Amino acid sequence: QSALTQPASVSGSPGQSITISCTGTSSDVGNYDLVSWYQQHPGKAPKLMIYDVSKRPSGVANRFSGSKSGNTASLTISGLQAEDEADYYCCSYAGTTTYVFGTGTRVTVL
Amino acid sequence: QVQLVQSGAEVEEPGASLKVSCKTSGYTFTNYAVHWVRQAPGQRLEWMGWINADNGDTKYSQRFQGRVTITRDTSASTVYMELRSLRSEDTAVYYCARRSSENFDYWGQGTLVTVSS
Repeated sequence: QSALTQPASVSGSPGQSITISCTGTSSDVGNYDLVSWYQQHPGKAPKLMIYDVSKRPSGVANRFSGSKSGNTASLTISGLQAEDEADYYCCSYAGTTTYVFGTGTRVTVL
Repeated sequence: QVQLVQSGAEVEEPGASLKVSCKTSGYTFTNYAVHWVRQAPGQRLEWMGWINADNGDTKYSQRFQGRVTITRDTSASTVYMELRSLRSEDTAVYYCARRSSENFDYWGQGTLVTVSS
């Protein structure tokens, strides 16, 4: 079970929008609308930001949104803020009650 | 409030076993599965496996099959993860996480495990 593929890094200026892609296969991302996204600051545990492709847990800013097309899911951060600088990981259900994470993306706010 | 509190950092020798605990509170223990995820230094999150806290059924990543065992103690609302035949590549932070539907909504604080002779 290979990791989902994410860009190693994405950067943007405050106020800009950025999008992080997460590419899997027809066995995971492409087969289930069960992609979630996690934000991780250095030395901290991951935090759920998006679930079921595009749903936001309560308390997560509406600047964060998710989508999916085929085998690729995406996380968009609109109106980028300094506090958004972190690592982001996608995760997909992969069938037979297994899960797979992405390779991770470092977001830098310029 | 929901909390998952993990046991403290450990240093183990190659070939040894480790057992990390994850004590949960703030919700009905048997209503949610608990998963284990690890992160080697500077590396990505890696899913290891999970346990159905109600009936004890487990599922493991093929990568760890045969080396990992996840158990639970319902009376203590605690989940345990044992990893055997440790090698240096197992040096990582190990996280437990509660699963809600098909996502991980609450996480433990992480347990640093160092494998070194």
